[in-house]
Amino acid sequence: DIVMTQSPDSLAVSLGERATINCKSSQTVLYSSTNKNYLAWYQQKPGRPPKLLIYWASTRESGVPDRFSGSGSGTDFTLTISTLQAEDVAVYYCQQYHSTPTFGQGTKVEIK
Amino acid sequence: EVQLVESGGGLVQPGGSLRLSCVASGFTFSDYSMSWVRQAPGKGLEWVSKIRSSSSIIYYADSVKGRFTISRDNAKNSLYLQMNSLRDEDTAVYFCARDPYGSGFYYFDYWGQGTLVTVSS
Repeated sequence: DIVMTQSPDSLAVSLGERATINCKSSQTVLYSSTNKNYLAWYQQKPGRPPKLLIYWASTRESGVPDRFSGSGSGTDFTLTISTLQAEDVAVYYCQQYHSTPTFGQGTKVEIK
Repeated sequence: EVQLVESGGGLVQPGGSLRLSCVASGFTFSDYSMSWVRQAPGKGLEWVSKIRSSSSIIYYADSVKGRFTISRDNAKNSLYLQMNSLRDEDTAVYFCARDPYGSGFYYFDYWGQGTLVTVSS
């Protein structure tokens, strides 16, 4: 299985500031035949199911605010929240779907 | 509006069985692959199983292979997970989730609220 490792495990960011979460895969999730990175990001608030934010590494799901963006390719990816809002407090997960799906361990985002 | 509603969770002894259900609405259920994903208390997410729209292809995580069986009834807009030989480590909230595409693996664009399975003596 592809192992997904997120960093940091948690971070505290001031309102209006940038939050950056990293995700590294143990092998590439870029499919050469499609030239797509099989990588998604989710947001999970307490007591709620995960919510899809980003897929194909950088495509924002419909309805997701544009302060959320995804980047990266191959084995290294980043989720950026450009200006943190109070409602963005949550745990964020990356997931690869290049092979049987696996998730990162999660990154908890809090307000400083 | 897409809705996925799970049921069937509860307390079961080690070695016991449980059947989870997920009823879908708001989309043409028979057009989509579906998956089960679980989350142990306070832990991360683990994909469990996927079934294609026609039930023609099924995948399982190694951790549940041979013990869990995924199935669906498109006439009832329902997804199921039969869980046998349950272990303590199967304790988790089980989510049903929609796959946007058919064969292979993809992200999950809609999730249910989840149903809690507790395996304990």
